[in-house]
Amino acid sequence: QSVLTQPPSVSAAPGQKVTISCSGSSSNIGNNYVSWYQQLPGTAPKLLIYDNNKRPSGIPDRFSGSKSGTSATLGITGLQTGDEADYYCGTWDSSLSAGSVVFGGGTKLTVL
Amino acid sequence: EVQLVESGGGLVKPGGSLRLSCAASGFTFSSYSMNWVRQAPGKGLEWVSSISSSSSYIYYADSVKGRFTISRDNAKNSLYLQMNSLRAEDTAVYYCARGTTVTSFDYWGQGTLVTVSS
Repeated sequence: QSVLTQPPSVSAAPGQKVTISCSGSSSNIGNNYVSWYQQLPGTAPKLLIYDNNKRPSGIPDRFSGSKSGTSATLGITGLQTGDEADYYCGTWDSSLSAGSVVFGGGTKLTVL
Repeated sequence: EVQLVESGGGLVKPGGSLRLSCAASGFTFSSYSMNWVRQAPGKGLEWVSSISSSSSYIYYADSVKGRFTISRDNAKNSLYLQMNSLRAEDTAVYYCARGTTVTSFDYWGQGTLVTVSS
């Protein structure tokens, strides 16, 4: 059971918009920055969003991130078949003595 | 070009040990924190351990604390993970990843598979 809760799957048609939610608590999302990762089948994860809403160089502006309270959201517009992947949110969790990095369980995006 | 190349994975019996390595190139290794993240077959990402640029700060997931040891050699641009008392549930692909912030990992290696089985 992941500390951060994501929907197992989402789907949308090419060209449409989709959002993926990531729900946590005050010990993680509520007081820390959130990152988002894309993992294409058979490959290593790739950083899409950091510090809640910043995009690394080379990430298209079709990808966006936001945070409100203890939840974060990844948005993808202009969906392409190449966006089919697993998406993970991640943040710091300070509920344990030394703290830890935590990831959501992942969301599988299907572009119909 | 930033490159991270893991090695050292393989098949090991329960209770055994393994040492993973991650060779870094294309950036100033000594300026970045480094991390190990694993992914069991068909499962999601699980953070394993992090080490700061000068090794001053080290963190472990509860699931590996006391069994795994992270270390780095900045002179050799290398990151290591010593894994002892391995269990079946440690079976996973292990990725090394460069940290830009505490929870932001901007470059990942291709991963090395560790299988713990008798």
